[in-house]
Amino acid sequence: GNSVTQMEGPVTLSEEAFLTINCTYTATGYPSLFWYVQYPGEGLQLLLKATKADDKGSNKGFEATYRKETTSFHLEKGSVQVSDSAVYFCALSDSFSGGYNKLIFGAGTRLAVHP
Amino acid sequence: GAVVSQHPSWVICKSGTSVKIECRSLDFQATTMFWYRQFPKQSLMLMATSNEGSKATYEQGVEKDKFLINHASLTLSTLTVTSAHPEDSSFYICSATGQGENQPQHFGDGTRLSIL
Repeated sequence: GNSVTQMEGPVTLSEEAFLTINCTYTATGYPSLFWYVQYPGEGLQLLLKATKADDKGSNKGFEATYRKETTSFHLEKGSVQVSDSAVYFCALSDSFSGGYNKLIFGAGTRLAVHP
Repeated sequence: GAVVSQHPSWVICKSGTSVKIECRSLDFQATTMFWYRQFPKQSLMLMATSNEGSKATYEQGVEKDKFLINHASLTLSTLTVTSAHPEDSSFYICSATGQGENQPQHFGDGTRLSIL
């Protein structure tokens, strides 16, 4: 079945450091790919998405490119801030069935950014 | 846009009581809503999927008589944890999506349920 694998955390960085969080997936067909962010005690917020191969999703300085050849969707940011500290979830949309797509989530990667 | 409101955000109650959690889409019509459970420092586990006006579809291992889901309108779904026990304590999150393929899910802020 479809699955998402994320790098294990926690990832600890100093402010202004470069961030990469790896995400690879296994899927049949052509799923859409998403990054969600969860701040402490809150639900998930959609950070960015890509719907087809070679698409680049970007938002708030974060970006990720849908790489079909390597089945990856790595999240990157050039210069992280303390306010980026959160848990990041990579997800893919499962097959469209019954009028909706289910999301399959990775395990999440906790990011801690220190001043 | 695409705001989902979940209420209450935190509830503490005695063992044996039933607890209802509401999930509302404020500015769009949610044809499908999802209910997740999240254990500390873990990912989201999908419990069930509900489409407006029809019975919810539960994931394997989720007791439908324990977790009652109602999706009576295009903007409201409720999850009722019946006869709650301490092992039901968790963080419950709902999400909603509009009609069409590959629509993103929009999440509520979650409900922390503590059963004493």
